[in-house]
Amino acid sequence: LAKTTQPISMDSYEGQEVNITCSHNNIATNDYITWYQQFPSQGPRFIIQGYKTKVTNEVASLFIPADRKSSTLSLPRVSLSDTAVYYCLVGPLYNQGGKLIFGQGTELSVKP
Amino acid sequence: SQTIHQWPATLVQPVGSPLSLECTVEGTSNPNLYWYRQAAGRGLQLLFYSVGIGQISSEVPQNLSASRPQDRQFILSSKKLLLSDSGFYLCAWVRGLGGPDTQYFGPGTRLTVL
Repeated sequence: LAKTTQPISMDSYEGQEVNITCSHNNIATNDYITWYQQFPSQGPRFIIQGYKTKVTNEVASLFIPADRKSSTLSLPRVSLSDTAVYYCLVGPLYNQGGKLIFGQGTELSVKP
Repeated sequence: SQTIHQWPATLVQPVGSPLSLECTVEGTSNPNLYWYRQAAGRGLQLLFYSVGIGQISSEVPQNLSASRPQDRQFILSSKKLLLSDSGFYLCAWVRGLGGPDTQYFGPGTRLTVL
């Protein structure tokens, strides 16, 4: 499974757009990129997933350049409730081998 | 809809005591199941995963073990707890064959070993 590298922490203010970048230089052809959000004392929850170019849902956007060696999670107009740890995962979409490994994540702190 | 349950929610155990944490999934069949541990701070450490009944893969050597006696039941056990076993234990499931690999996590169990 491709190893991922993210910033340890980021600070932002309410109403700003936040971009969190994840590096995955060894991504394989059949790997997808998935982002999760975790609040304290809760399990991570799925945010968004993509393979290439741009994916957008009601929560976030995911930008993936042509070489797919990195990806950027974009959170528009963050609020205090977006304070959480964000994890980037890379792996096959239909990983019948079963193993999915989380990195250290990025701790986002949103201030008023 | 699918739901995942974990119990107990919190647990305080003395060093050397046994452990049994249970995870069950409803609303799906043949899921892949996972046990993670999260120490103080963050970072999820994958402990075990299972692709079917009786099939367990261990990721790290430790005094913990896992079992999958039924399709939607995953159990984490220890015969003798260590102080280092304290942490937040999370169970997760993924659709099995033919499904996308979005992981769905349970509410977690906070284990404190004294």
